[in-house]
Amino acid sequence: DQQVKQNSPSLSVQEGRISILNCDYTNSMFDYFLWYKKYPAEGPTFLISISSIKDKNEDGRFTVFLNKSAKHLSLHIVPSQPGDSAVYFCAASTWGTSGSRLTFGEGTQLTVNP
Amino acid sequence: DAGVIQSPRHEVTEMGQEVTLRCKPISGHNSLFWYRQTMMRGLELLIYFNNNVPIDDSGMPEDRFSAKMPNASFSTLKIQPSEPRDSAVYFCASSHLQGIGNQPQHFGDGTRLSIL
Repeated sequence: DQQVKQNSPSLSVQEGRISILNCDYTNSMFDYFLWYKKYPAEGPTFLISISSIKDKNEDGRFTVFLNKSAKHLSLHIVPSQPGDSAVYFCAASTWGTSGSRLTFGEGTQLTVNP
Repeated sequence: DAGVIQSPRHEVTEMGQEVTLRCKPISGHNSLFWYRQTMMRGLELLIYFNNNVPIDDSGMPEDRFSAKMPNASFSTLKIQPSEPRDSAVYFCASSHLQGIGNQPQHFGDGTRLSIL
């Protein structure tokens, strides 16, 4: 049962344009969402997060949007740069006292062309 | 600041051998996580510890897998005996314990394990 799903395995955009990566989830108990970026031969690197009490969080070129009713979140990167080329994972967790157990999506390979 | 440190980076061994993967979390972090990444299953959580105590090991595939955290600065993931289907990249991550605020997990660079 894939509770977090990234339906696009790959995305290609031109440098300077907007990249939009999408993620859907099924578990309504998830209340904290994160995006990670992963380069080859490295571990995932935390990028940005959002809690369920918000619908938008922005950090520089990166903005995450959350639509709870649709159980959908997206990551916008603008403007896109060649160095943004990587695999992007969305992840979800529930806020609990036993710690944060993350459930990851399958990842989307973003390629930003110069 | 030093990040999460995993060793070895690569491990190639024969089926049936014991494999031990090591992790040093970020100093001050009190939650530690072991993940496995495969083409078929993506990134999946195997086990996590809070304050050195295993909290959830439901992701551990079978009894051949075991994990320990003898102190706050060291954890091991052991596979005995190893099988070719255990070949994957194994990641360790650490974070502050949730409850003092949502804290992202920080990942090591992983151990690429190949069982022949």
